[in-house]
Amino acid sequence: QVQLVQSGADVREPGASVKVSCKASGYSFNTYGITWVRQAPGQGLQWMGWISGYNGNTNYAQKFQGRVIMTRDTSTKTAYMELTNLRSDDTAVYYCARGRIQFGESTDAFDIWGQGTMVTVSS
Amino acid sequence: ENVLTQSPGTLSLSPGERATLSCRASQSVVSRFLAWYQQKPGQAPRLLIYGASSRVTGIPDRFSGSGSGSDFTLTISRLEPEDFAVYYCQQYGSSPTFGQGTKVEIK
Repeated sequence: QVQLVQSGADVREPGASVKVSCKASGYSFNTYGITWVRQAPGQGLQWMGWISGYNGNTNYAQKFQGRVIMTRDTSTKTAYMELTNLRSDDTAVYYCARGRIQFGESTDAFDIWGQGTMVTVSS
Repeated sequence: ENVLTQSPGTLSLSPGERATLSCRASQSVVSRFLAWYQQKPGQAPRLLIYGASSRVTGIPDRFSGSGSGSDFTLTISRLEPEDFAVYYCQQYGSSPTFGQGTKVEIK
């Protein structure tokens, strides 16, 4: 079936970086974009950015410009989100999600979600 | 940034009752690019509605979406026990943003 499986929980110190992976299966990875959304404990959802499965183009939320890097490996059908210079308020569950439309852009709804990856930033 | 404001923050209802959730945007939402998600504790969000009123395959028809411009509504016609959850609206006409959520709890 169509699914996204994310890497496991991680703990990092302030100032470090974290890289979360999102492995796709059950669909043509190259033809759908992947979005990253995070959710701080007890809080709402925050869109971080998007990467095209087709050509690797990216669109980052202004809040994360300069600190986030989204990449993908079509050979392994895996998308990655790296967040640098971590702060305590980056503690959150990070989700990857598939765009609903084939060859769609970042302006899309998200129909398949990964299970989430808890990232804790603490010294 | 198109800010979405959901109301009420919490809705206390009994099974079988009708739930009406509101989502208001600070700017008109392009092409009715408005989606609704359901999230239960410890789970990822689930897409219910896209394009303001199109139901995702497999979503029960007791869920319906309506609205245009800056005002949108999610209606659950008769609450089932599994519907008690947090609901988020999201606009994707421009750089995507989410509302802060409405919690539907058992009264």
